[in-house]
Amino acid sequence: DADVTQTPRNRITKTGKRIMLECSQTKGHDRMYWYRQDPGLGLRLIYYSFDVKDINKGEISDGYSVSRQAQAKFSLSLESAIPNQTALYFCATSDASRGAGGGPDTQYFGPGTRLTVL
Amino acid sequence: DQQVKQNSPSLSVQEGRISILNCDYTNSMFDYFLWYKKYPAEGPTFLISISSIKDKNEDGRFTVFLNKSAKHLSLHIVPSQPGDSAVYFCAARWGNTPLVFGKGTRLSVIA
Repeated sequence: DADVTQTPRNRITKTGKRIMLECSQTKGHDRMYWYRQDPGLGLRLIYYSFDVKDINKGEISDGYSVSRQAQAKFSLSLESAIPNQTALYFCATSDASRGAGGGPDTQYFGPGTRLTVL
Repeated sequence: DQQVKQNSPSLSVQEGRISILNCDYTNSMFDYFLWYKKYPAEGPTFLISISSIKDKNEDGRFTVFLNKSAKHLSLHIVPSQPGDSAVYFCAARWGNTPLVFGKGTRLSVIA
């Protein structure tokens, strides 16, 4: 079984709809992240959470919100989807004990969600 | 302002030869650098990392070199294999901040 799972894997929706993307992990990691990938733009950070009570905006948080329901679950919401939010969305996790000044804070990614907003 | 730059969007290499992927950065505070590999329809997977106190790290066919004075790192793959064809992302971090990724380089290894 995959350590980091994302649901749904594919989603087509219409402009103005509210969408939630979900991420679950069994790695026991404290930290979780949401990224989007667009052609030619690489991976851009949307939000991240270093523990259940910690939520931080990333580079491109406008139009998005997140919820950290538990250590293992981190969901991303698009309150009112627009076409330029069409992208690949990735969830990732990392181990705080390895990241806090003691290592590279390697992130482990889920398989991604392909979102299309019409 | 892009802190991690991969200036080559794509690279083609013959099977068996060396692949060299380059990455430049602007933030002198970065203390760890990582390379990720991504196949289509999959999430990125960690490949290799290097601390800023080192200048080389090797793992099998993969070696990462770091030149701090030039703010430059490179990933060498020797010998290149068709299965290495993927998009490679360079990433960096400092302190307790999240990773910052480059835009990626698509490597094609031709048999």
